[in-house]
Amino acid sequence: QKEVEQNSGPLSVPEGAIASLNCTYSDRVSQSFFWYRQYSGKSPELIMSIYSNGDKEDGRFTAQLNKASQYVSLLIRDSQPSDSATYLCAALTGGGNKLTFGTGTQLKVEL
Amino acid sequence: GAVVSQHPSRVICKSGTSVKIECRSLDFQATTMFWYRQFPKQSLMLMATSNEGSKATYEQGVEKDKFLINHASLTLSTLTVTSAHPEDSSFYICSASPDRDNQPQHFGDGTRLSIL
Repeated sequence: QKEVEQNSGPLSVPEGAIASLNCTYSDRVSQSFFWYRQYSGKSPELIMSIYSNGDKEDGRFTAQLNKASQYVSLLIRDSQPSDSATYLCAALTGGGNKLTFGTGTQLKVEL
Repeated sequence: GAVVSQHPSRVICKSGTSVKIECRSLDFQATTMFWYRQFPKQSLMLMATSNEGSKATYEQGVEKDKFLINHASLTLSTLTVTSAHPEDSSFYICSASPDRDNQPQHFGDGTRLSIL
């Protein structure tokens, strides 16, 4: 069983819609979670961190964490074509600062 | 803050050449840095964890004699691909996080290595 799981997609949404990206994790002791965006041919870029249950909003992005269900999500409001990328979910597990990454969900925002 | 600089951004060289890639944390200290490899349309694969002042920890299946890692200071780690062959052609990315709890990793811009 993979430690961090994501649907690989592609997830296609029309411009202006809400994109919902989901992630589950298996290690209950995980405390910190991160969302990265990776454009094709580029390195990952951190877009959100979340550490406690509930929602965290930053501009058009909202991260949601539910530790009881071991579930993390990222909502992108008013999706734009420039949001088209692969979104990586990552969990900090087992102490230290080594992240466990999901395989990523490809998002396509269509005009 | 939390900027990671990686260079070179692109290398094209002949088979058998050794290639060194540098990863620097510009505005923070990082006892630990990470090296990843990514083939086209595939996931990030962690190759090794670079530890300042000690030996790197390699993931299963990664040859430590092939991929030499040196982490001589709190702001610099290097990855040397020794005697590179075409199958080593890939996108190599480093990351680092500040030496505090629960910090995200910040990635360098990556190095695209092409072995002819």
